[in-house]
Amino acid sequence: GAVVSQHPSRVICKSGTSVKIECRSLDFQATTMFWYRQFPKQSLMLMATSNEGSKATYEQGVEKDKFLINHASLTLSTLTVTSAHPEDSSFYICSARGMTGLSYNEQFFGPGTRLTVL
Amino acid sequence: GEDVEQSLFLSVREGDSSVINCTYTDSSSTYLYWYKQEPGAGLQLLTYIFSNMDMKQDQRLTVLLNKKDKHLSLRIADTQTGDSAIYFCAGGGGYQKVTFGTGTKLQVIP
Repeated sequence: GAVVSQHPSRVICKSGTSVKIECRSLDFQATTMFWYRQFPKQSLMLMATSNEGSKATYEQGVEKDKFLINHASLTLSTLTVTSAHPEDSSFYICSARGMTGLSYNEQFFGPGTRLTVL
Repeated sequence: GEDVEQSLFLSVREGDSSVINCTYTDSSSTYLYWYKQEPGAGLQLLTYIFSNMDMKQDQRLTVLLNKKDKHLSLRIADTQTGDSAIYFCAGGGGYQKVTFGTGTKLQVIP
C-alpha cells in the first residue's frame, strides 16, 4: 500500500511556542490530506481537510488560527500548532487520499506525532 | 452527522475467533472500513467493504455487513497475540468524510 510519513514522531515543547508537524505521501500524489487528533483511549477526531493549493476546511470547534494547515504540494501538508498550551498535548495523525484507483477511496494514515506541551 | 458505536473491550484466548461489532447511523456511507492501531502507532487499514456487499473474506478476516440493521462486524479467525490492538470501524469514502467508531481494544490471552 501507499506510504505516508509524519515528522517528527514525538515532540516536547514549552507552553507558548509553536510546533510544526509534517505529513508526506511518499509514493503517491495526495490531492487531499486530513488531520486528526486522538485523545487518550478515544477515537480519532477529524480536525480539518486540506486540498492541495486551497485553504483547509476546518471541522466545527477547531480553531483555524491555532491549528494552521498548509498543503502546498501534492506530497506535503503541514500542521502548525501555534502558541501551544498543555491542553494541546495529544496524538496527531494525518492521512492522505490519492487521485486514482483504490487510493481514491482509501485514506492512508501516517504513524502519528505525539505532542507534549509542558 | 454519522455516529459509529463499538464496544470498548474484547478479550479472547489465543487460537479462538474474535468478533468485533460496530453499529452506525448513516446508511449513505460508500465504504465501511476496519482499521487496526497498535500502541503508539498510526492506523493500518485491515480491510474494507463496499456498501452494496454483504460479506468479504480476506485470509483470517471476515467482514459482515447487515445494511438493514446498520451493523458491521469483523471476525478474526485463529486470533494471535499479535492481533492485540485497538480496532476502529469507519464509514465514508470518496468525497464523503470518514467517520470513525470509538474503537474496540482487543486483548488476546496466550
